[in-house]
Amino acid sequence: KAGVTQTPRYLIKTRGQQVTLSCSPISGHRSVSWYQQTPGQGLQFLFEYFSETQRNKGNFPGRFSGRQFSNSRSEMNVSTLELGDSALYLCASSLNPSLGNTIYFGEGSWLTVV
Amino acid sequence: AQTVTQSQPEMSVQEAETVTLSCTYDTSENNYYLFWYKQPPSRQMILVIRQEAYKQQNATENRFSVNFQKAAKSFSLKISDSQLGDTAMYFCAFMKPGNNDMRFGAGTRLTVKP
Repeated sequence: KAGVTQTPRYLIKTRGQQVTLSCSPISGHRSVSWYQQTPGQGLQFLFEYFSETQRNKGNFPGRFSGRQFSNSRSEMNVSTLELGDSALYLCASSLNPSLGNTIYFGEGSWLTVV
Repeated sequence: AQTVTQSQPEMSVQEAETVTLSCTYDTSENNYYLFWYKQPPSRQMILVIRQEAYKQQNATENRFSVNFQKAAKSFSLKISDSQLGDTAMYFCAFMKPGNNDMRFGAGTRLTVKP
């Protein structure tokens, strides 16, 4: 059974540009969430999608957005990139967090903003 | 708001010995989940062990076990017979039922020495 797959793994963008990251959850998982990991702030929750609906959102500016498709694949978008957006972006999936199902993480997408 | 505190930024242990990583959390919830995740140099988050707050019995997974003290809001991880492959960052995490908004501690960097 394939794990959580994130693409691209590494990317470099310029300030002011926008970026889209993709996440394919484990087959059958309907919940996808995104986290940002930086040395200074640690791991922070961005948002969660379940059955194409955003259910929860962390404390991030509106430049950070996401969506989920009918096949549960998810994308997150960051517009008007800033240097501080450089981070490892982790995607995680689970069957249904309401039931306390285990959350599985992908290998992450490394974003560098220059 | 829930907060998770890991007071040991770095620890080391000799191969084959036992080490305990500390974690405390703050919540007013009665039902929740606690996790320990391992993040090796590859940066993929790997679930080590999970505990449901309503279960009094401490969770165990092979060489990994927890000491869950609900009243004290403490959730420590014990690694027995430490192996070189256990070298990684270890994150303690808290999650309420119903969403994937996990709150992580700052992490403990564990080094297993030969």
